[in-house]
Amino acid sequence: GESVGLHLPTLSVQEGDNSIINCAYSNSASDYFIWYKQESGKGPQFIIDIRSNMDKRQGQRVTVLLNKTVKHLSLQIAATQPGDSAVYFCAENITPGANSKLTFGKGITLSVRP
Amino acid sequence: DTGVSQNPRHKITKRGQNVTFRCDPISEHNRLYWYRQTLGQGPEFLTYFQNEAQLEKSRLLSDRFSAERPKGSFSTLEIQRTEQGDSAMYLCASSPSGGKVELFFGEGSRLTVL
Repeated sequence: GESVGLHLPTLSVQEGDNSIINCAYSNSASDYFIWYKQESGKGPQFIIDIRSNMDKRQGQRVTVLLNKTVKHLSLQIAATQPGDSAVYFCAENITPGANSKLTFGKGITLSVRP
Repeated sequence: DTGVSQNPRHKITKRGQNVTFRCDPISEHNRLYWYRQTLGQGPEFLTYFQNEAQLEKSRLLSDRFSAERPKGSFSTLEIQRTEQGDSAMYLCASSPSGGKVELFFGEGSRLTVL
């Protein structure tokens, strides 16, 4: 989905289903990507990362896919649970090197229906 | 608790007042970052320290903002003559040295300027 003004795009899924959250990143030179989860009133929490020399990485219930050809990153969550409800941000390291820092996307809200 | 600690968690102030936020990073991390997050947006980079050296500042960091990390451990972010547009969540993150910019975030300090 596309963000409009202050309203984050929302993905609504049924508990137990798989979720796929997508992100388009900006810089073809970015060498490192992270997905963060942010619950209301809290700081972003690391979920999973991937380097640009990989196209897939799996964690516990989560998988990150990287398509450098179209600058696309996705997060797959298996068997989505109510505790997965949060805002999800993709972040990229657009300045590889000594002064590396992360640049964040706008975020997507995941809402899990019981 | 060995995570990133920020205080105060909430600050309400009147326009024109000065405010200061403190961040205690994870002890073995030598990189420290400040980000700002407004409602519905992803975190935006403000500034970055490698040990005590401030290596980069964003254009978002006007001359009313100053950040320090005097001994390479905790950091402070001061905002002078606050404006209503400064209302935001100020996030601190730390990262170990090395190739990956894996940021560990604190819970943030929420500033409300009346």
